[in-house]
Amino acid sequence: EVQLVESGGGLVQPGGSLRVSCAASGFSVSSTYMSWVRQAPGKGLEWVSVIYSGGATYYAASVKGRFTISRDNSKNTLYLHMNSLRAEDTAVYYCARLASAGTGGFDYWGQGTLVTVSS
Amino acid sequence: QSALTQPASVSGSPGQSITISCTGTSSDVGNYNLVSWYQQHPGKAPKLIIYEGSKRPSGVSNRFSGSKSGNTASLTISGLQAEDEADYYCCSYAGSGTWVFGGGTKLTVL
Repeated sequence: EVQLVESGGGLVQPGGSLRVSCAASGFSVSSTYMSWVRQAPGKGLEWVSVIYSGGATYYAASVKGRFTISRDNSKNTLYLHMNSLRAEDTAVYYCARLASAGTGGFDYWGQGTLVTVSS
Repeated sequence: QSALTQPASVSGSPGQSITISCTGTSSDVGNYNLVSWYQQHPGKAPKLIIYEGSKRPSGVSNRFSGSKSGNTASLTISGLQAEDEADYYCCSYAGSGTWVFGGGTKLTVL
């Protein structure tokens, strides 16, 4: 059974850093495309980043240069390293599998982890 | 990377059909056959209901259907049921490895 479980969210001050994790089971994160999608409180979904099976990474303009997506194949875990955090980064962060090399949509999602940026 | 445009809300009575539009540009919706749709109930993670514009994942009701014309994609829900009341989001590949979501549409079943 495919399962994604996020962790690591919490309260961080503006300008601070945080790393959120997504532990996968039922498939290998190294063999597929994995993405982060966020949702600010009461707002819509916003795509954040993707890492391809081959290792290429891409980012939304709003986070480029501040966020880094990575994975640990031995732990079958996806990460999002967030630096220079701003109030507008406050959101629930979901990890999602992007199926079939991007053609299959985001077919599995975690339950999300809340990141709050506030002083 | 502007969000795709969706109506903020739609409504319909049980048994009726509704359509949600998703308008992008020739750089995203109009240029790729990679539009997907998601259903999100309050407090829950999104659920994939349509991919590649019109394909349904296994287990998704055939009451959900998708289409595309030019820069606009559409989601149609037929035979509305109370459980369909949720937020719906479209998403498209936007080139250069990036993706863009719509602003979301709240569906109310009257």
